[in-house]
Amino acid sequence: GNSVTQMEGPVTLSEEAFLTINCTYTATGYPSLFWYVQYPGEGLQLLLKATKADDKGSNKGFEATYRKETTSFHLEKGSVQVSDSAVYFCALGLFGNEKLTFGTGTRLTIIP
Amino acid sequence: KAGVTQTPRYLIKTRGQQVTLSCSPISGHRSVSWYQQTPGQGLQFLFEYFSETQRNKGNFPGRFSGRQFSNSRSEMNVSTLELGDSALYLCASRIGTGGNSPLHFGNGTRLTVT
Repeated sequence: GNSVTQMEGPVTLSEEAFLTINCTYTATGYPSLFWYVQYPGEGLQLLLKATKADDKGSNKGFEATYRKETTSFHLEKGSVQVSDSAVYFCALGLFGNEKLTFGTGTRLTIIP
Repeated sequence: KAGVTQTPRYLIKTRGQQVTLSCSPISGHRSVSWYQQTPGQGLQFLFEYFSETQRNKGNFPGRFSGRQFSNSRSEMNVSTLELGDSALYLCASRIGTGGNSPLHFGNGTRLTVT
């Protein structure tokens, strides 16, 4: 079956630190990959996406590269801000299947 | 463009009661999905509707049901509520079809069952 594994949280970093949140996947077929972010009291917001191998998704300083050889889609940001504190979800979707499969989420806290 | 709108934001119900949650998708989006989010189970897929037809359903008991109207608005219903149904229920819409099209989520309805 399809699955997404994210690094366990919570993750606490100082402002301006480098961020990596690991995500690996298992899928039958060729998935599209997504990162979503959830701020307190809100729903999930699409952060970035990649639809094929070697694609790089980017948004708001965050980046992730679709690595087919390692089945990974790690989220990175060069310099985090307090406002980046949130829960981050990695997800995969497959053509012909309307359901997105989500990881368990990684809670990120940035301290000033 | 307005985002996905869910009503109400909060609900408190008693065991055994039933509840109806509402979702208005982004204008032009015809696919609506529902997810349940809990601390223990994370995000779990409930069902997906397109053009008033349920196309996909997750592994939930029959107490959970939904429907979609001709204007793409959707409702989900939970009957005979149990304590374990307490969760954040998220509605999402997408413009295309298929899992390679991103979902756009509402802010959810937080249901508390006492």
